Amino acid sequence: AQSVTQLDSHVSVSEGTPVLLRCNYSSSYSPSLFWYVQHPNKGLQLLLKYTSAATLVKGINGFEAEFKKSETSFHLTKPSAHMSDAAEYFCVVSLSGGYQKVTFGTGTKLQVIP
Amino acid sequence: GAVVSQHPSWVICKSGTSVKIECRSLDFQATTMFWYRQFPKQSLMLMATSNEGSKATYEQGVEKDKFLINHASLTLSTLTVTSAHPEDSSFYICSARPLTGRGETQYFGPGTRLLVL
Repeated sequence: AQSVTQLDSHVSVSEGTPVLLRCNYSSSYSPSLFWYVQHPNKGLQLLLKYTSAATLVKGINGFEAEFKKSETSFHLTKPSAHMSDAAEYFCVVSLSGGYQKVTFGTGTKLQVIP
Repeated sequence: GAVVSQHPSWVICKSGTSVKIECRSLDFQATTMFWYRQFPKQSLMLMATSNEGSKATYEQGVEKDKFLINHASLTLSTLTVTSAHPEDSSFYICSARPLTGRGETQYFGPGTRLLVL
């Protein structure tokens, strides 16, 4: 079984300040972890993924996430928020290997204040 | 690379009619495609997993006869909402998992917004 918890439904930051979106997971086996971003009325875009290689994963648009097995976390960070980062972010877990279903977190809405 | 398209992007229909939504992987082959439904301000809910050449696997609570899925080729899956009712109004999103090379990553289409009057 697997699950993912996004601890914050809403996060508000000022433009130019750091972003932290939290995600904790539960998985019986080695997980693959993903962050997706969804802008209003749009589909999902892959930001980054962890699949048992380097624990610090760099993604697009300056985002990165660190896989911490001891904390079962995969928090998404960005040093400096931009207005265009305002969107909904989903943390996703999947069992690695084979064709497994994914489990979505409930999403975190990021607001960036000018 | 890894582009997934959906057609149509918007559809408005009368209650009782059927609506077909197409999901295509444009630059890769996908043995597995997924169909999700998203209600306003909520996360994605997996409806079914579609495998090329075989019957779709539906999640608990999703009516097979209501949401017909056909995965006719390695680049195309269709979702038909039969006898649509206003409660079927939602944002439907498909995703595709590449046949090779990209592991478990799913690539998502832009979504189809369905409004049933």
